[in-house]
Amino acid sequence: QKEVEQDPGPLSVPEGAIVSLNCTYSNSAFQYFMWYRQYSRKGPELLMYTYSSGNKEDGRFTAQVDKSSKYISLFIRDSQPSDSATYLCAMQYNQGGKLIFGQGTELSVKP
Amino acid sequence: ETGVTQSPTHLIKTRGQQVTLRCSSQSGHNTVSWYQQALGQGPQFIFQYYREEENGRGNFPPRFSGLQFPNYSSELNVNALELDDSALYLCASSLVSAGDTEAFFGQGTRLTVV
Repeated sequence: QKEVEQDPGPLSVPEGAIVSLNCTYSNSAFQYFMWYRQYSRKGPELLMYTYSSGNKEDGRFTAQVDKSSKYISLFIRDSQPSDSATYLCAMQYNQGGKLIFGQGTELSVKP
Repeated sequence: ETGVTQSPTHLIKTRGQQVTLRCSSQSGHNTVSWYQQALGQGPQFIFQYYREEENGRGNFPPRFSGLQFPNYSSELNVNALELDDSALYLCASSLVSAGDTEAFFGQGTRLTVV
């Protein structure tokens, strides 16, 4: 069993839709939770970062962490074609430590 | 742009050869991590260097080795290349300090082993 599980998709939605991306994990020792966006032929870029349980909002993006269920989510409101990319969840045991990534979900937003 | 640059961007090597990949960290960052990303997969942690010392290693064989230099640039060396080493190699630099954990990734080096 992988430490972090993520549905690879692909996921295709119409422009303006609300997108929900999810990851589950097995190790309760994870403390830091991130979402990265990776465009084709580029390195990952950090979208959202959350410490422990709770919600965090940044513009059209909302990250949720539920440590009791070992489940994290990223919501994208009013999705745009420019949001088309692969979304990677990642977790850390300690600040500055190694990142453990999910497989990534490929998202396509159609105009 | 993240300020992290990797070279070369693409590379083709023959099985059994050796390869060196390079990473220039963002200014002021003291930590660099290397990841391997196979096609359709998430990045896998190879190792991390903090102030020129190895500071953690993933499940990769010893033929994967690295260096971090006093200017915090870094190298990843892979000996005896195998076909399965074909992947995108990413470096990420960060400043490990209280309240700061963000890692900035370079654009990656795509290695093809034939």
